[in-house]
Amino acid sequence: KAGVTQTPRYLIKTRGQQVTLSCSPISGHRSVSWYQQTPGQGLQFLFEYFSETQRNKGNFPGRFSGRQFSNSRSEMNVSTLELGDSALYLCASSLEGLAVDNEQFFGPGTRLTVL
Amino acid sequence: AQSVAQPEDQVNVAEGNPLTVKCTYSVSGNPYLFWYVQYPNRGLQFLLKYITGDNLVKGSYGFEAEFNKSQTSFHLKKPSALVSDSALYFCAVRDHSNYQLIWGAGTKLIIKP
Repeated sequence: KAGVTQTPRYLIKTRGQQVTLSCSPISGHRSVSWYQQTPGQGLQFLFEYFSETQRNKGNFPGRFSGRQFSNSRSEMNVSTLELGDSALYLCASSLEGLAVDNEQFFGPGTRLTVL
Repeated sequence: AQSVAQPEDQVNVAEGNPLTVKCTYSVSGNPYLFWYVQYPNRGLQFLLKYITGDNLVKGSYGFEAEFNKSQTSFHLKKPSALVSDSALYFCAVRDHSNYQLIWGAGTKLIIKP
């Protein structure tokens, strides 16, 4: 079974631009969660999507948004990029989501650099 | 407030020696605890979890963790370290109010030959 894939792996943008990141979960998994990883803040939860609905949301500004498609693939969008948005963005998929204590499977991440 | 602490930024161990990576937590209700490992340029991989039952949990790659309720700890252990165990290790606890995982800051484990 293929693992979680994320595209692109690396991205360089400038302040004020917007960016879209993509995540394809493991086949059969209905939940996709997004995390931001930075050296200073560690891993922080952005949001979770389950069956095309946002089911859970962390404490990030509205510039961070996402969606999930009928095939469970998910996209995350960040608008009006700031220098502080530079981070590794991780996507994780699971069968039934965070409300159930099932294992999350992480993708390799997208490294976003904002100049 | 729910929190997880990994008090050591880095742990150095000689190959073949036992290793311990420490984790303490604070959570309302019964703790659901997890350990993940991150290798360079890769995502996190699940190692093990404690939900209920035996305090000693066995996981992947020969790792185990001991749940200690009185000390609110969930330390990760391995009897004999390998150089390939060198990685970043994260402890996490589930916040039952919103099901989100609260993550520790991570501990860099370096195993020297």
